[in-house]
Amino acid sequence: GENVGLHLPTLSVQEGDNSIINCAYSNSASDYFIWYKQESGKGPQFIIDIRSNMDKRQGQRVTVLLNKTVKHLSLQIAATQPGDSAVYFCAENGYYKLSFGAGTTVTVRA
Amino acid sequence: GAVVSQHPSRVICKSGTSVKIECRSLDFQATTMFWYRQFPKQSLMLMATSNEGSKATYEQGVEKDKFLINHASLTLSTLTVTSAHPEDSSFYICSARNRGNTEAFFGQGTRLTVV
Repeated sequence: GENVGLHLPTLSVQEGDNSIINCAYSNSASDYFIWYKQESGKGPQFIIDIRSNMDKRQGQRVTVLLNKTVKHLSLQIAATQPGDSAVYFCAENGYYKLSFGAGTTVTVRA
Repeated sequence: GAVVSQHPSRVICKSGTSVKIECRSLDFQATTMFWYRQFPKQSLMLMATSNEGSKATYEQGVEKDKFLINHASLTLSTLTVTSAHPEDSSFYICSARNRGNTEAFFGQGTRLTVV
């Protein structure tokens, strides 16, 4: 996407460890972000979202952090499981379009 | 979350023919639908945004006469790939949301192979 990008293309993590996936954006006016998980051959699946009036939001085993000062957000997955292996995208959900970053492939080692 | 159904999941067509892909929101009204194309190991590339009852807005470089989008109702949008060629082979994905700046939900994707 034109406004959203990811720092690392791949992440290998030991089962049970925590995963951290990073994302940078360039538009300081962006105010709504969504993290998606995409498994091979499937459409993206909503994980968690965050709006710019928040710095942190927690879900089940996942936490999203938003740092508006440096235009950065991250997705933390606690106790990573084999089923977490997938490609993760951050997306800027603007009023007119939903733009995706490059994606990070997460591989969980047993 | 809300359900978006995309059909077909896979289609193989001959070069020069047209293919229609349907995207339906099953339990909510989708005022906006997005169409994406995704090549292997790449991100989702937005092709166009369609709002119910109006013409689609295409991204730069996407041929509107080749990729026809219709969003005639609040629950259905279609993408027709006209005169398909092998280079159009890709994974096409639709997304729908109720209104601007709200959560968007995705269909299962359509794997198009043009032979």
